[in-house]
Amino acid sequence: AQSVAQPEDQVNVAEGNPLTVKCTYSVSGNPYLFWYVQYPNRGLQFLLKYITGDNLVKGSYGFEAEFNKSQTSFHLKKPSALVSDSALYFCAVRDEGSSNTGKLIFGQGTTLQVKP
Amino acid sequence: DVKVTQSSRYLVKRTGEKVFLECVQDMDHENMFWYRQDPGLGLRLIYFSYDVKMKEKGDIPEGYSVSREKKERFSLILESASTNQTSMYLCASSLYQGSRTFGSGTRLTVV
Repeated sequence: AQSVAQPEDQVNVAEGNPLTVKCTYSVSGNPYLFWYVQYPNRGLQFLLKYITGDNLVKGSYGFEAEFNKSQTSFHLKKPSALVSDSALYFCAVRDEGSSNTGKLIFGQGTTLQVKP
Repeated sequence: DVKVTQSSRYLVKRTGEKVFLECVQDMDHENMFWYRQDPGLGLRLIYFSYDVKMKEKGDIPEGYSVSREKKERFSLILESASTNQTSMYLCASSLYQGSRTFGSGTRLTVV
């Protein structure tokens, strides 16, 4: 069975400091991994995805994520946080072998708070 | 840009009412999805559809049904609304294996 875990409910970081939002996953085959961001009263916006290839994936708004197969992790990172990065972040996974529809499993979300 | 439009941002309904949540996408995506979002639980899949008139149950289909008569429109139906269906409902669409594009959500309150 597929699963994804975001171990931190909230991450606090000062503006200008690097940030990391953690995600670990479990799938039976090769994973497809995604990060989404949700600003208040909005739907989710796609940030980046890992399908295959380079373990470091670059996405929107200066975010990147590192795929680590041995640790089954896909942590979201940014070198220098902005106050405007404050939002709810979701990690999602799907098994390469799952059906055509690409059913995604979402983590419970991590609230990122960037303080000035 | 792909747009996914949900017809209502906020909705208040009474217990026992039949409720329709509408979702329209404008980029000819095959796949459409309905999720509900609750604090601490993330997003849970209610139903999805990979083609017109096709639907499959997600993780929490009980108390819900869906309709997809046209490719661009995917409706979520609460047959008899209950207070435990008070939630944020998110619609999304995607191409085959593509990333999801989400609507802005409908916050439903059942009183």
